[in-house]
Amino acid sequence: DQQVKQNSPSLSVQEGRISILNCDYTNSMFDYFLWYKKYPAEGPTFLISISSIKDKNEDGRFTVFLNKSAKHLSLHIVPSQPGDSAVYFCAARGSRNRDDKIIFGKGTRLHILP
Amino acid sequence: GAGVSQSPRYKVTKRGQDVALRCDPISGHVSLYWYRQALGQGPEFLTYFNYEAQQDKSGLPNDRFSAERPEGSISTLTIQRTEQRDSAMYRCASSPSDLGNEQFFGPGTRLTVL
Repeated sequence: DQQVKQNSPSLSVQEGRISILNCDYTNSMFDYFLWYKKYPAEGPTFLISISSIKDKNEDGRFTVFLNKSAKHLSLHIVPSQPGDSAVYFCAARGSRNRDDKIIFGKGTRLHILP
Repeated sequence: GAGVSQSPRYKVTKRGQDVALRCDPISGHVSLYWYRQALGQGPEFLTYFNYEAQQDKSGLPNDRFSAERPEGSISTLTIQRTEQRDSAMYRCASSPSDLGNEQFFGPGTRLTVL
């Protein structure tokens, strides 16, 4: 049973346009959400996070939106650049019982087209 | 470098052999996590440590898998009597805080069991 779902295995976006990566979760105990970016042959690197008390967090070209009622979050990248081509993992953590496990989605491969 | 390192990067072993995978976290990082990642999947949690204490080992698949972090720094993941289904990328991550919200991943060890 997947608690964190990234339903789009891949996404292609024109350079300069907005990339929107989506993520759904099923566990209402999750209270902290993260996005990781992964290049081939490298480990995932932390990109941006959001606490459940917020609905938006922005860092440069990256913005994460959280819709708790829909159990949905999205990562917006604008403008998209060639170096953004990578696999993006959505991840979630529940902390109410100090459960520090982070649950990852399967990832979405983003292709930025020239 | 200052990042998380793992060794060996590649390990090929015969079924039934024991393997030990090593993780060197970022100096001073409190938490250390082990994940397993199958092809096309997100990282799957195995176990984690705060300092030398193993906080959660619920993700270890069975009792052939064990991990230790005796001095709160380097960690070893040991798989006894390896089976072909153990073949995967094993990733280690460390975090500066015990909340583990931001984890820095190593490059992984690719384990192949013949």
